[in-house]
Amino acid sequence: EIVLTQSPGTLSLSPGEGASLSCRASQSISSTFLAWFQQKPGQAPRLLIYGASTRATGIPDRFSGGGSGTDFTLTISRLEPEDFAVYYCQHYRSSATFGQGTKVEIK
Amino acid sequence: EVKLLESGGDLVQPGGSLRLSCAASGFTFSGYAMSWVRQAPGKGLEWVSALSASGVATYYTDSVKGRFTISRDNSKNTLSLQMNSPRAEDTAVYYCARHMASGKWVFDLWGQGTLVTVSS
Repeated sequence: EIVLTQSPGTLSLSPGEGASLSCRASQSISSTFLAWFQQKPGQAPRLLIYGASTRATGIPDRFSGGGSGTDFTLTISRLEPEDFAVYYCQHYRSSATFGQGTKVEIK
Repeated sequence: EVKLLESGGDLVQPGGSLRLSCAASGFTFSGYAMSWVRQAPGKGLEWVSALSASGVATYYTDSVKGRFTISRDNSKNTLSLQMNSPRAEDTAVYYCARHMASGKWVFDLWGQGTLVTVSS
């Protein structure tokens, strides 16, 4: 079973700053099968990125994803107030595994 | 409007049973695989079960195999999760989620969730 480890656990930043979130897989995975979600308190998760780098419909271009093998990154170029949330990476194929999440909080 | 709406969450005793439902609207439900994903209080996301678009193929995480049953009624645009013999560790918000049209296990549409509390 593939385990996804996200870091850091919490990221404290100010609006306008950039954010870089890491997702490391316990073994090499195809970038085709890596997604990122955003979740705000009391809300359902929202798909941001799939295939490691493809933005989902309606997602602003300040969100970008990259990586390969075991190391993947979600980058938010300039944080907007609505971007402060918890972010999860997910590996998928014929099952689904999530990382434990990274909280992006206002500094 | 494209939407998923869960219902059925409640307080249930360990060893009891509970049935969750998810009503889909605004899209061709029969064309999409569907999943249940749960989130324990203050914790992360955990995939629970999936069902193919036709309803033939089912998938479960190990911890619920033999206890939970996923099903769908494509004529009623409804997904269900029958929870038998629930345990305290099944306490969570349960979300239904739609797989992408490509069939990949990427969840592009989520409901608002329904809370299941397992406690005596």
